[in-house]
Amino acid sequence: ETGVTQTPRHLVMGMTNKKSLKCEQHLGHNAMYWYKQSAKKPLELMFVYSLEERVENNSVPSRFSPECPNSSHLFLHLHTLQPEDSALYLCASSQDLGANVLTFGAGSRLTVL
Amino acid sequence: KQEVTQIPAALSVPEGENLVLNCSFTDSAIYNLQWFRQDPGKGLTSLLLIQSSQREQTSGRLNASLDKSSGRSTLYIAASQPGDSATYLCAVEDGSARQLTFGSGTQLTVLP
Repeated sequence: ETGVTQTPRHLVMGMTNKKSLKCEQHLGHNAMYWYKQSAKKPLELMFVYSLEERVENNSVPSRFSPECPNSSHLFLHLHTLQPEDSALYLCASSQDLGANVLTFGAGSRLTVL
Repeated sequence: KQEVTQIPAALSVPEGENLVLNCSFTDSAIYNLQWFRQDPGKGLTSLLLIQSSQREQTSGRLNASLDKSSGRSTLYIAASQPGDSATYLCAVEDGSARQLTFGSGTQLTVLP
């Protein structure tokens, strides 16, 4: 266990479904992140939260909706996704923003049919 | 916009060899550079973090160097073992955006 837990590990959904990815950390970290990892492409930063407030949204389509109810939990709500959204979605946390070691979860493998 | 390139994309070596993985970045105004390891189907594990003021960091058989002015970093793995087989990713933290920009990784296979 890395200290960051992601569920579910695998998810298959249709284009009209609504689902959510969950991330949980009990490391006492103040910053949490969502990354997208597609085949043969670099990791793409999607969202950054610091102390439960969103500080970065890297031009992510509105069909992805993040939620950070407290400093230990981060969600990614998914609706009306496209097949090209199929990827590994990684959650990470760090003590604070910037110049810190990131701790990653194992990822949620999403397949959109 | 920062771009990070890792060469080669894949590398296969026999067990026991010393090897070097390369990382280059286009904007030298960075706060730090990190090397990560990713096993198949898993998340990333941070291996080494080099602050912009540092030249190298060492952890066991791993040594990472940073030449900020030339936009280059290397990860040296001594006496490679089959357990070192994984994808190694380099990431730089930008000075302005304070975000990590990742390379596409080098997939390493160490043959027994």
